[in-house]
Amino acid sequence: GEDVEQSLFLSVREGDSSVINCTYTDSSSTYLYWYKQEPGAGLQLLTYIFSNMDMKQDQRLTVLLNKKDKHLSLRIADTQTGDSAIYFCAEKAGYQKVTFGTGTKLQVIP
Amino acid sequence: NAGVMQNPRHLVRRRGQEARLRCSPMKGHSHVYWYRQLPEEGLKFMVYLQKENIIDESGMPKERFSAEFPKEGPSILRIQQVVRGDSAAYFCASSPEDQPQHFGDGTRLSIL
Repeated sequence: GEDVEQSLFLSVREGDSSVINCTYTDSSSTYLYWYKQEPGAGLQLLTYIFSNMDMKQDQRLTVLLNKKDKHLSLRIADTQTGDSAIYFCAEKAGYQKVTFGTGTKLQVIP
Repeated sequence: NAGVMQNPRHLVRRRGQEARLRCSPMKGHSHVYWYRQLPEEGLKFMVYLQKENIIDESGMPKERFSAEFPKEGPSILRIQQVVRGDSAAYFCASSPEDQPQHFGDGTRLSIL
């Protein structure tokens, strides 16, 4: 079955880069996503990558995919206090079912 | 273009009552998903529906829980005879065919 794992917590200083890591088990994944959840809110889609890509950049966000190791990372450049949130990695395999990780809580220290 | 709309945002029920959670997908989206999030935990898939059809309900408890997505109107997640353990945030997401899911802001269900 599908399983997605993330570290629970990450703390960085404002202006530094943040790297949030994720591992997954389903080798048939077609899409991999990063969502952001702020307190009391739903999940906001940040970015996603097709499984046949190894990198995607979108402004301050860089997604790296190592399909061989089933490892996905999200790098946030110049991290700001507004980036403090929980970040969820998710994978989609097959029709539409998406499996989410447990989330990484990012704390940005001013 | 309005996003995924869920209501109510907060719902309080006593043990044994029924809870009805509503979700209006984004315009043009024919796929709806329900997830449950317990405090300090990730999202757990419950059910995936298309118009008038349940495609996958493998994450939904067999008893007391049901979901529908009628031809007209919102998708409804219904929990009968609620218990304390049903307290959670319930999120709805929608998508068009083979596209990323977009989430609503959730319904926070509290059971007294």
